[in-house]
Amino acid sequence: RKEVEQDPGPFNVPEGATVAFNCTYSNSASQSFFWYRQDCRKEPKLLMSVYSSGNEDGRFTAQLNRASQYISLLIRDSKLSDSATYLCVVNRGAGNMLTFGGGTRLMVKP
Amino acid sequence: DGGITQSPKYLFRKEGQNVTLSCEQNLNHDAMYWYRQDPGQGLRLIYYSQIVNDFQKGDIAEGYSVSREKKESFPLTVTSAQKNPTAFYLCASTRTSGLRETQYFGPGTRLLVL
Repeated sequence: RKEVEQDPGPFNVPEGATVAFNCTYSNSASQSFFWYRQDCRKEPKLLMSVYSSGNEDGRFTAQLNRASQYISLLIRDSKLSDSATYLCVVNRGAGNMLTFGGGTRLMVKP
Repeated sequence: DGGITQSPKYLFRKEGQNVTLSCEQNLNHDAMYWYRQDPGQGLRLIYYSQIVNDFQKGDIAEGYSVSREKKESFPLTVTSAQKNPTAFYLCASTRTSGLRETQYFGPGTRLLVL
């Protein structure tokens, strides 16, 4: 089993749609969780950290379920510019060593 | 303008050749990391350094070497022992090695084997 698993997609959605991605992780000692966005042939950039209580940043909402060891990302009112690969990232329980999921590709169509 | 720079953007390697990828940061970050990304896959950790003059192997260190003689610089050498070096190489840094520290990435170097 992979340490961090994501559905690779692609998720093809129309503009204005709501889309949700899930990610599961296997290390129960993990304490820090992140969503990164990666555009084609570019470096990953932090989208948001994921906190235990859940957090929202504009159209983006992240949730953490420690009991089931999964993380979710909800994007409301999708824009064309949201088209990218979304990487689920989990720390390894000590320090800042991170494990990256393979990414979920989102394509928003006009 | 603070950030992480990587050079070159594209690098071509001949069989049996060692090549060195540059990573420089002016963010005054202590910790630096090298990752490899293959198409459709997540990032895999090659080496990391939490402080100057110290570094540790990551998950896929075989065929690679690094140095950390200066805080700002963390070059990666891809040796001839790395049999499948074609990939996208990403350098990252964090202020410390503590929890919840955001990793900032450089623009990456694409290495291709001739």
